[in-house]
Amino acid sequence: DGGITQSPKYLFRKEGQNVTLSCEQNLNHDAMYWYRQDPGQGLRLIYYSQIVNDFQKGDIAEGYSVSREKKESFPLTVTSAQKNPTAFYLCASRDRARTDTQYFGPGTRLTVL
Amino acid sequence: GQQLNQSPQSMFIQEGEDVSMNCTSSSIFNTWLWYKQEPGEGPVLLIALYKAGELTSNGRLTAQFGITRKDSFLNISASIPSDVGIYFCAGRGYGGATNKLIFGTGTLLAVQP
Repeated sequence: DGGITQSPKYLFRKEGQNVTLSCEQNLNHDAMYWYRQDPGQGLRLIYYSQIVNDFQKGDIAEGYSVSREKKESFPLTVTSAQKNPTAFYLCASRDRARTDTQYFGPGTRLTVL
Repeated sequence: GQQLNQSPQSMFIQEGEDVSMNCTSSSIFNTWLWYKQEPGEGPVLLIALYKAGELTSNGRLTAQFGITRKDSFLNISASIPSDVGIYFCAGRGYGGATNKLIFGTGTLLAVQP
């Protein structure tokens, strides 16, 4: 089945540790996105990538880093510099044919202890 | 910057009732999307709208792209318990960065059997 997978579903980390969230898609989509979701707020864009080996900062990129070495994969690293990392993280990808329509993965819940 | 207001914030209804929710932008949008998110899961695309005045249905769901280009509406007819979730609108305004969406804060829908 085609789709977007994120792993792990739940992640716990201690303060001061970096952690990497996985996002994989087999939809052959060029563009991929990372969002953060907090209760009562709309999704906020962290980073996005429109093509392999290229990515752009979103609205809240501080404390995060990404890479795009393969079309299928767009991992997000939450660094110790992120002051409030506990949140639900969503990865999305976009079909080139539909310039604005994004499809989401199931999300990763990160909790910092 | 562009802002998106979504209302109502929450709705508690009886099974069988019809539901209406809407989103309003501070500026003109050229795309409106409606998503549904269930607890602990990623948003699922329900309806995509690309032209002012467009009216699109997906089963019991109907969405419209407002004529003013600043609003969109989602209606659910004859609600059932599995309609429970958070409904998000999203869109992109003219002049907005390529493929970057703005998201509403969501409408929580609860359906009493």
